[in-house]
Amino acid sequence: EIVMTQSPATLSVSPGERATLSCRASQIVSTNLAWYQHKPGQAPRLLIYGAFTRATGVPARFSGSGSGTEFTLTISSLQSEDFAVYYCQQYHNWPPLTFGGGTKVEIK
Amino acid sequence: EVQLVESGGGWVQPGGSLRLSCAASGFTFTSHGMNWVRQAPGKGLEWVSYISSSTGSIYYADSLKGRFTIYTDHAKSSLYLQMNSLRDEDTAIYYCARETFYDFDYTMDVWGQGTPVTVSS
Repeated sequence: EIVMTQSPATLSVSPGERATLSCRASQIVSTNLAWYQHKPGQAPRLLIYGAFTRATGVPARFSGSGSGTEFTLTISSLQSEDFAVYYCQQYHNWPPLTFGGGTKVEIK
Repeated sequence: EVQLVESGGGWVQPGGSLRLSCAASGFTFTSHGMNWVRQAPGKGLEWVSYISSSTGSIYYADSLKGRFTIYTDHAKSSLYLQMNSLRDEDTAIYYCARETFYDFDYTMDVWGQGTPVTVSS
């Protein structure tokens, strides 16, 4: 099983600032990596797939990078609606599909 | 509108059973595989099970084998999860999620709002 590790667990950011979230895979996953946004009481939302391709309707302030075992999600200028928990997930070798533990982006 | 709506969650005693449902609308159900993903209280997302629409392949998280069964009813555009021998650690919100491939990239691009399951005596 590929283990996904996210850091930090919590990120405190002021609106308008940049947020950088990290995700590490225990094995090489190429670019078979997705990012999801999850707000309390809502359905998770696909943001990024293929490590850097934005899903339909996702604002350009969200960008993904990386390959192999190290990945980054960057939110260039945080808006109020961006405060949420973000998960990375690999689909390089499954089952199982595996998620990271999540990074909570909170208001500073 | 593309939509997934879960139902069937609730409270059950340890050892009990529940059947979760996921009603799909706004898209061709038979063209997509489907997943169940759960989130325990205070925890992250955990993949539970998958069923392919094309091959009929079925996969489960190792911790669940033998207790949960995933299946679909194409006539009703619905996905189900039969959960037996439930344990305290199965307490979670259960989400259904649609599979979509973008070239070779696997995504879960549509999710339901979730249905809560509480296992407690």
